[in-house]
Amino acid sequence: GDSVTQMEGPVTLSEEAFLTINCTYTATGYPSLFWYVQYPGEGLQLLLKATKADDKGSNKGFEATYRKETTSFHLEKGSVQVSDSAVYFCALSDRNNQGGKLIFGQGTELSVKP
Amino acid sequence: GAVVSQHPSRVICKSGTSVKIECRSLDFQATTMFWYRQFPKQSLMLMATSNEGSKATYEQGVEKDKFLINHASLTLSTLTVTSAHPEDSSFYICSASVSGATDTQYFGPGTRLTVL
Repeated sequence: GDSVTQMEGPVTLSEEAFLTINCTYTATGYPSLFWYVQYPGEGLQLLLKATKADDKGSNKGFEATYRKETTSFHLEKGSVQVSDSAVYFCALSDRNNQGGKLIFGQGTELSVKP
Repeated sequence: GAVVSQHPSRVICKSGTSVKIECRSLDFQATTMFWYRQFPKQSLMLMATSNEGSKATYEQGVEKDKFLINHASLTLSTLTVTSAHPEDSSFYICSASVSGATDTQYFGPGTRLTVL
């Protein structure tokens, strides 16, 4: 079945460092891809998404490009801030399932130090 | 826009009691709502999918008689944990999607359930 694999955390960076969180997926169809962020004690917030190959999603300085050839959707940010500390989830949505079921990766915890 | 609320945010109950968690879409009509369970430092596990006016579809391994889901209107879904036990303690999160845009879900803030 469809699945999502993320790099393991925790990832600890200094403020203004470059961030990459790797995400790869397996899917039989043509999924939409998402990054969600979860701040401590809160639910998930959609960070960005891409719906087809070569699309780039971007928001709040974060970017991810839908790479069909490498089945990847890596999250990047050029300069992280302390406020970016959170858990980041990569996910895909199976378009063949009209219910829009989301399949999540295991999450990557990011800690940014001043 | 696209705000989803959950109530309560935290609940502590005794073993054997039932707990109801509400999920509301505040500014849109949600044809489909999803219920997830999240263990500490782990990913979200989809429990069930509910469509307004229909019975919920449960994921494999989720007991439908224990986790009762009702989606009576386009803005409200409820999850009732019946005869709760300590192993049911978890973070429960709902999400909602809009008809015609089912690949985008809007998540509630979650409910922390602690069963003593």
